[in-house]
Amino acid sequence: SYVLTQPPSVSVAPGQTARITCGGNNIGSKSVHWYQQKPGQAPVLVVYDDSDRPSGIPERFSGSNSGNTATLTISRVEAGDEADYYCQVWDSSSDHHVVFGGGTKLTVL
Amino acid sequence: QVQLQESGPGLVKPSQTLSLTCTVSGGSISSGDYYWSWIRQPPGKGLEWIGYIYYSGSTYYNPSLKSRVTISVDTSKNQFSLKLSSVTAADTAVYYCARVSLPYRFDYWGQGTLVTVSS
Repeated sequence: SYVLTQPPSVSVAPGQTARITCGGNNIGSKSVHWYQQKPGQAPVLVVYDDSDRPSGIPERFSGSNSGNTATLTISRVEAGDEADYYCQVWDSSSDHHVVFGGGTKLTVL
Repeated sequence: QVQLQESGPGLVKPSQTLSLTCTVSGGSISSGDYYWSWIRQPPGKGLEWIGYIYYSGSTYYNPSLKSRVTISVDTSKNQFSLKLSSVTAADTAVYYCARVSLPYRFDYWGQGTLVTVSS
């Protein structure tokens, strides 16, 4: 089955840029979606189809995807961005399977 | 604005069947543009996709849970449901229902409901 690999944690100072990676075999050929989850809350979609933002998501959130790595970039990080972030793809090579990465804890120093 | 709300028992005994319902408001489950899904998250752990259903009744399940999972839809009530049989403590988790927009992203989520498996 398809596996997505994320770093367990990323730390960044306020105002700096955070980059959270999601690794997978030829992930560049798939559509990658990213979710933000704050403690005690449901996940929220922040980037879809590699680099699109849902309505209401700040432009500070962006995404890219190429080769074996997809990246969520958060510019001008704020304290309120501290959360867990999950990448997700649909594995078309299997039977309609959805795959999540293990999640990355973003800490704002 | 689409809203989803999970409901069901918060405590289930080992070996029994976990049953949850998701009620959708602000949109029709029969619209045909979306799938409807269940996802769970054990305490302190990551997200695990359980499966999803189309309004017609077509279902797709996580292979690791397929033998124990049934997802069904009731279009007259704008609801879909989850049944997970033969539960153990490992099935203790927050269970979320969500709407699936193509290509297979979860754009609306319920608030989640904690289900504990314990005698």
